[in-house]
Amino acid sequence: ELKVEQNPLFLSMQEGKNYTIYCNYSTTSDRLYWYRQDPGKSLESLFVLLSNGAVKQEGRLMASLDTKARLSTLHITAAVHDLSATYFCAVDIVGSQGNLIFGKGTKLSVKP
Amino acid sequence: KAGVTQTPRYLIKTRGQQVTLSCSPISGHRSVSWYQQTPGQGLQFLFEYFSETQRNKGNFPGRFSGRQFSNSRSEMNVSTLELGDSALYLCASSVVSNTEAFFGQGTRLTVV
Repeated sequence: ELKVEQNPLFLSMQEGKNYTIYCNYSTTSDRLYWYRQDPGKSLESLFVLLSNGAVKQEGRLMASLDTKARLSTLHITAAVHDLSATYFCAVDIVGSQGNLIFGKGTKLSVKP
Repeated sequence: KAGVTQTPRYLIKTRGQQVTLSCSPISGHRSVSWYQQTPGQGLQFLFEYFSETQRNKGNFPGRFSGRQFSNSRSEMNVSTLELGDSALYLCASSVVSNTEAFFGQGTRLTVV
C-alpha cells in the first residue's frame, strides 16, 4: 500500500525562524507536489517536483526532492504570519491515472 | 484565466437523499479528478475522468458515481446519503492525467 507520511503534523513557529517539513513516500513516483490549504479553502498548488534533485523556490518556501530516498522537504525561511496554513505533499502513483496520494498535512502556525 | 469552478459551494441534505455536485475544469483541461476531504481520513481519491471515460476509481462504495461530458465538465453523484458522507468534495483538473492538478473551491456537503 502506498503511504505518504508527513512530519511534523503540527508546527508552531515564531516569526523569523526557519523550519523544514518532511514528506516520505513508500513507492516509486514520477512526481511530487506541494499544496497549501487555508482554513475552509481549497488547495493551492505551490510546487511540482519532477525529477531527482529538483529544487524549487518561491519567496520564503523552498522544496526539494530526493527520489532515491523517497523524500521531499519543504523549507521555510524567516517565517511570517501569512505562511500560517496547512501544507500537503502528494505523489502520483506510477501507472495510475489522475490519482494523487496525499499526506495528512502539516498544520503550520506562525506566531509573532 | 478562469479556475476550476465547483457548484454548489454548500449543501445540506438528509440521510437517504441523493446529491449531485458539478465541476467545470479550466479551459483546455481534459482530466478531472474528484477527492473527498474529511478531518479523520484526510484527502481521498474518488475517481478520475478523461475524455468522458472513467479511467480510475478509488476505494469508495458504488453509491459514489460520476460522469464527464464532452466539454470536460464533470458531475459526481452520491446516492442514499449517510452521515459519514459529510465532507468537503474537491474537484481537480489538469491538462492530461498525472500533470499539475488545479483544485476548485470545493463543495461542503453536510448530511443530517
